[in-house]
Amino acid sequence: ELKVEQNPLFLSMQEGKNYTIYCNYSTTSDRLYWYRQDPGKSLESLFVLLSNGAVKQEGRLMASLDTKARLSTLHITAAVHDLSATYFCAVDLRGGADGLTFGKGTHLIIQP
Amino acid sequence: GAVVSQHPSRVICKSGTSVKIECRSLDFQATTMFWYRQFPKQSLMLMATSNEGSKATYEQGVEKDKFLINHASLTLSTLTVTSAHPEDSSFYICSARDQWTGKYNSPLHFGNGTRLTVT
Repeated sequence: ELKVEQNPLFLSMQEGKNYTIYCNYSTTSDRLYWYRQDPGKSLESLFVLLSNGAVKQEGRLMASLDTKARLSTLHITAAVHDLSATYFCAVDLRGGADGLTFGKGTHLIIQP
Repeated sequence: GAVVSQHPSRVICKSGTSVKIECRSLDFQATTMFWYRQFPKQSLMLMATSNEGSKATYEQGVEKDKFLINHASLTLSTLTVTSAHPEDSSFYICSARDQWTGKYNSPLHFGNGTRLTVT
């Protein structure tokens, strides 16, 4: 059974600081995803990571993937209040034939 | 970009009634769509995989007779919550991937979700 573990589950930080969210998964996977969810809303796709060593950046967010360690990180640089949200990592198997298995999410609060 | 439309966004119904939720891929075709459920402050849990032209595949613990799924075309899947009870109150989200373009590097696109409240 595929398990996806995120940590921390809750993070409160100040604007301007850097921090990293970690995502570990238990089984070799084809792809790893990062999503953002605002309260009462659905999911917004942030990154799709396909291969070992993959690194993607968008604004203040950067995601990386180490398939050997079965670890992905989402790094936040110089956080701003607008990045406050819940962030989920998710993994899929079998080339997308199955649905995603999600981590429990990291509830991020960035205080001005 | 690819868009998945889900309707209704919010529904309140009485216990014992049935509710249908629609999930449409607006500008792409999807042979497979996925239905998730999310309870407050929790993660998304996959309920079932909807397959165009065939039966849905349900995850362990999900009652197929209670959550009826129909995927009649390449752009539409429906989830019907039958004889709803208060414990069925949740946020239901569908997702789909464009099967023809960027298959191996495209994200799953999510609908906006349906918040179901059963009174």
